[in-house]
Parts: sequence; structure tokens; C-alpha cells
Amino acid sequence: ETGVTQTPRHLVMGMTNKKSLKCEQHLGHNAMYWYKQSAKKPLELMFVYNFKEQTENNSVPSRFSPECPNSSHLFLHLHTLQPEDSALYLCASSQESLASEQYFGPGTRLTVT
Amino acid sequence: SQQGEEDPQALSIQEGENATMNCSYKTSINNLQWYRQNSGRGLVHLILIRSNEREKHSGRLRVTLDTSKKSSSLLITASRAADTASYFCATDQRTDKLIFGTGTRLQVFP
Repeated sequence: ETGVTQTPRHLVMGMTNKKSLKCEQHLGHNAMYWYKQSAKKPLELMFVYNFKEQTENNSVPSRFSPECPNSSHLFLHLHTLQPEDSALYLCASSQESLASEQYFGPGTRLTVT
Repeated sequence: SQQGEEDPQALSIQEGENATMNCSYKTSINNLQWYRQNSGRGLVHLILIRSNEREKHSGRLRVTLDTSKKSSSLLITASRAADTASYFCATDQRTDKLIFGTGTRLQVFP
């Protein structure tokens, strides 16, 4: 849709599972983000990577572990999640400063059982 | 704390009518952005207005910004059923992060 792809689109996992979300951007951007979107809550910024370096960790529990091997790819590794972690996880990227226009992927709908 | 708050939370109109959504924020900003989200999908950037701008147009969209009142409005003219979505404002609050509001859910009936 916007040059940012996410896989998988849907994921159901148990609390003892380990899984990873993948994001790829084809826009040549330098900054990438993970957001969490829960029902009736504002979009929550989780992590920011700028030129592959993590510049923001918004008090996210350690059961979420990001990885940015290069400026085009971003992963979110998940382990021992809780049911309240069920949400839509959105990846985004931007060209310049972190508060500039962001391009979002379609999201991964995560359900923790 | 919630910085960008949209009003109303939900809006239902008929095709052809105009839709107006408002956003209020609490701190000084460099810019304010509006995004659109179809159900369960990613957000799509609509328009960015800088703090020294008062009004901006893009197609059927008109955005105003009043920094003295710390508020912005998004007007969609001649709405279509395809405009049905949630609309979010996002502010930078002079930091390097975007803070999103909870959104306005717009329903346009054919």
C-alpha cells in the first residue's frame, strides 16, 4: 500500500510461544518505528530506530525485543506475552526528523491466548 | 498523558455532506499532522501543517490550525462513502516523537 510491508498480517500465539514480527520499507527512509494500537487507546510508540540505532524505548516490557539489522528491515521479537498484549502492531518509517511525515505498514493483528 | 484529543469521537453523515473533526493539544508544537485509518489497517498520512501556517488544502481536505487555542480542524467536503474511516491528529510537541490522539470515527452513509 505505502511502501511499508509487514508480515504476518495475523498471528495467534500462546503465552509460552516465541514469534517475530517483520517490517520492511522500500522507501529509502532512515527512521523506523514500532507502534502498538489497542482498542480505545491512542497509538502507543514502542521503539524508534534512526540509522539502525535504537533511539527510543518507550518503557516497553522486555518481553518485546526489537531488532534492526539494516535501515530497511525491522523486527519485533515476542516471547512469553500476556493476553493484554493482544493488539494491532504497526510499523512505520520516515525520511527525516522523527516528527516528520510517517508511512505506515498494514499492521499485524496479534492475539495472545 | 493524552496530548492530541479529537472531537467528536464518532461522526455519522450522509454522502455529499461536509465532515468536520477537531483536535486539541496541550503544548507548543512545530507541526500537526492528520492521518486516516481504515478499519484494522495502517495509518495513511493526509496532511501536515506547520505552526506558522493557519490553513492548508489538499483536494477535498481543508485543515486549519490555531496555535493560540492549541487546536486544529479537519474539514472533508462533499464526503463519500469511501471516506468512512478513523481520523487521527498527531503533534510533535517540539520533540522528535509524534503523539497521536484517540481519533474520530467517521461513518459516511451512501
